[in-house]
Amino acid sequence: AQKVTQAQTEISVVEKEDVTLDCVYETRDTTYYLFWYKQPPSGELVFLIRRNSFDEQNEISGRYSWNFQKSTSSFNFTITASQVVDSAVYFCALSEVGNAGNMLTFGGGTRLMVKP
Amino acid sequence: NAGVTQTPKFQVLKTGQSMTLQCAQDMNHEYMSWYRQDPGMGLRLIHYSVGAGITDQGEVPNGYNVSRSTTEDFPLRLLSAAPSQTSVYFCASSYLGTGKNTIYFGEGSWLTVV
Repeated sequence: AQKVTQAQTEISVVEKEDVTLDCVYETRDTTYYLFWYKQPPSGELVFLIRRNSFDEQNEISGRYSWNFQKSTSSFNFTITASQVVDSAVYFCALSEVGNAGNMLTFGGGTRLMVKP
Repeated sequence: NAGVTQTPKFQVLKTGQSMTLQCAQDMNHEYMSWYRQDPGMGLRLIHYSVGAGITDQGEVPNGYNVSRSTTEDFPLRLLSAAPSQTSVYFCASSYLGTGKNTIYFGEGSWLTVV
């Protein structure tokens, strides 16, 4: 069975600091998808990224970047020059292609607090 | 463009009461699902459906029923609410098939059972 571990339950940084959120996963499938979602204080889930297991290229989107390393089963998320608006709970999730890639297994989430 | 719509957003129930959480999507997605979110545990899958007339259990199905009579709607029923069902519930939908499985979530329903 698949499992996602986000070992950091809470992180506190000062605005403009860089911060990395760790995600480690376990799966028996060779083909799978990894996701990151943001949950701001208002409670909704905001999709950030989907990455399939065949694509190990790192991705950058503005201040966000993702480092996928299949060798260590990790999919870490870095926010550069953090801002107060980045304060949220961030979830990493895994979906195996065997179930059409739709059933998500979530990590426990990392609460990020960015202080001004 | 409504996306995934959940109602109600907030609900307080007494132990033993029944209720239905509604979920509707307007994107013609085949796949719909319900998750519950509890502190420190992320989201866990309750039930899911891959199309009208087809439902199956997820990780934590006990105490919940679902049906899928149309592509658009996927209601979640609590037949006899228990305090352990106090949680935040999210409905999600997506297309089936690899390569296009971005999963869209509703805004959540906060349920308290007293």
